[in-house]
Order: sequence, then structure tokens, then C-alpha cells
Amino acid sequence: EVLLLESGGGLVQPGGSLRLSCAVSGFTFAGCAMSWVRQAPGKGLEWVSAISGSGGTTDYADSVKGRFTISRDNAKNTLYLQMNSLTADDTAVYYCARHSSSWSTPIAYWGQGTLVTVSS
Amino acid sequence: AIQMTQSPSSLSASVGDRVTITCRASQGIRNDLGWYQQKPGKAPRLLIYAASSLQTGVPSRFSGSGSGTDFTLTISSLQPEDFATYYCLQDYNYPRTFGQGTKVESK
Repeated sequence: EVLLLESGGGLVQPGGSLRLSCAVSGFTFAGCAMSWVRQAPGKGLEWVSAISGSGGTTDYADSVKGRFTISRDNAKNTLYLQMNSLTADDTAVYYCARHSSSWSTPIAYWGQGTLVTVSS
Repeated sequence: AIQMTQSPSSLSASVGDRVTITCRASQGIRNDLGWYQQKPGKAPRLLIYAASSLQTGVPSRFSGSGSGTDFTLTISSLQPEDFATYYCLQDYNYPRTFGQGTKVESK
């Protein structure tokens, strides 16, 4: 069974930083691209960032480019999202998502999400 | 970035109704499109990939069609558990982009 478990969310002040983690199991982690997708309260889904199975290729939404960094530790079966210079617009549930396999494949599995609230 | 325009934004339907949701891409994306269902407080769930392929475990009342710029998700006979919000997502290139969502409500 594919399991994706996010952690690290919480309340952070504007301008602050937070690191999200996603521990996975039930599949060959290094063989799959991964993404982060977020959903602001009452809003739609927004793709945030993706990373290839090896970690050698990454991409970001314009809204987070230069502030967020995606990374992975294939030995620990864990995906990360380092979020810096946070603003109220970054308040959202952040979902860890697994692609079917490689970089160009669809997002197929989702974690349950972790809530990030940016507020003073 | 490719823009995905989804319509309608919401619809009211009854159990047993045939429901159709459309998604239009701002440029051709071959058949690189998926459909997702999301219920309140839950993570999205993949229903359809590659525009028309049914994800394992998804009921056959769900179907997808289209290629290029115009795509359709059809629920042939709406069931009580299908009241939810549906999103399309293009996986033709990065940045990946979602449609705005379609909320299917009970009439």
C-alpha cells in the first residue's frame, strides 16, 4: 500500500521559515518523481514544486520560485519542502504527491496534507 | 504556463443524472490530462489519467475523453458518493496547472 505522511506544518510568522517532510512507504521511492501541491482555505489546488526520482531535476511554480526548495533523501524515503520568506498567501494545506513513475508522468497518489498557517 | 479553464464552476444534479465537466487548455497538450475528485477535508483522488484511462479501482461510471485542447469528464449515472469537487490537471509540461474546479452539488 502506498503511504505518504506529511509533517512539519504549523503556525509561522510572516517572513519566517518552515520545513515540511513527507515520509513514504509501499513503493520504490527513488523510482518516482514527487510533487508538492497546496490548497489555500476554500480555494482550488495549486501545484507548487516537483523533483525527479534521482533528485537531479526540480521545478517550481512562479509563486514560490526563489523562496521554496524541494529536496529528497532516497535513503530515508523522505521528501522535503523548505519554505522561506513566508507570507499570508502561503497559508494552505500542503499535500505530498507521488507521480506514477518518472518526471513526465501524472500525479497518482496523495498524502493527507499538513496545514501551514502564516500569521502574526 | 498553460492555462486550464474548467467549466462549469459548479452544478446541481440528482442521483442517476449524467454529469459532464469540461476542461480547455490554452495550448495543445496531447492527451496529457488527468481528472481528480476531492471531497471536503480529504486529499484529491486520481480518477482518470492520459485523458481517458480509468485509474485502478475507480468505478466505470467515470469516463474521460478528449485530446489536444478540449477534454471532458463524464459521470454516467451520478451516485451519492460522487458529490464532490472535480479538478483537471495537465501533465504535458511544467509548471503543472490545474483547472479551477467544478463542485457537484445535490439538486
